Amino acid sequence: GAVVSQHPSRVICKSGTSVKIECRSLDFQATTMFWYRQFPKQSLMLMATSNEGSKATYEQGVEKDKFLINHASLTLSTLTVTSAHPEDSSFYICSAYQDSQYFGPGTRLLVL
Amino acid sequence: AQSVTQPDIHITVSEGASLELRCNYSYGATPYLFWYVQSPGQGLQLLLKYLSGDTRVQGIKGFEAEFKRSQSSFNLRKPSVHWSDAAEYFCAVGGGSNYKLTFGKGTLLTVNP
Repeated sequence: GAVVSQHPSRVICKSGTSVKIECRSLDFQATTMFWYRQFPKQSLMLMATSNEGSKATYEQGVEKDKFLINHASLTLSTLTVTSAHPEDSSFYICSAYQDSQYFGPGTRLLVL
Repeated sequence: AQSVTQPDIHITVSEGASLELRCNYSYGATPYLFWYVQSPGQGLQLLLKYLSGDTRVQGIKGFEAEFKRSQSSFNLRKPSVHWSDAAEYFCAVGGGSNYKLTFGKGTLLTVNP
């Protein structure tokens, strides 16, 4: 139980385009999901908390207009990286909360 | 503010040897404590957690941990390490109604044959 999926697993895009990443809780409903960013050989940095039916709460220093989060259902949250630039290249991981945070497998984003 | 310290960046053990990964936390109230494992290029898998009650917790894959409030520690142990345990291990602390976690910087475990 408590399986979380992410799609796509990896994506390459051109600078200036937008990329959408999906996070789904497959066997449970999650009113709260989280989005993290992880740089190589570093820990996870929380970007935002996604609450179903309401606006996401962003951590200090994270641009809400650049990283759009939508949590439209109890099993799906999306992160859209708008006007992506090479510095946005990273590993993005989501988690869904049940009794603990359960993590997706991550999405590797490369912006050329 | 809450924080987690994992003093060891990299640990190398021989297969079959015992393992202890250290974790110290700072938290203003009774913490919820977690250990996660991450294989290269993968997400995080929950190994075990402490929410309340018995301070010794058992997890998956033969891992266990003990919450010691007096030492603000939550060290992870395994009696006999397998080659497949090689991965990055993260300790995390959280609590309260917002469910947010603060992660340590991780400990990379290498297992020698």
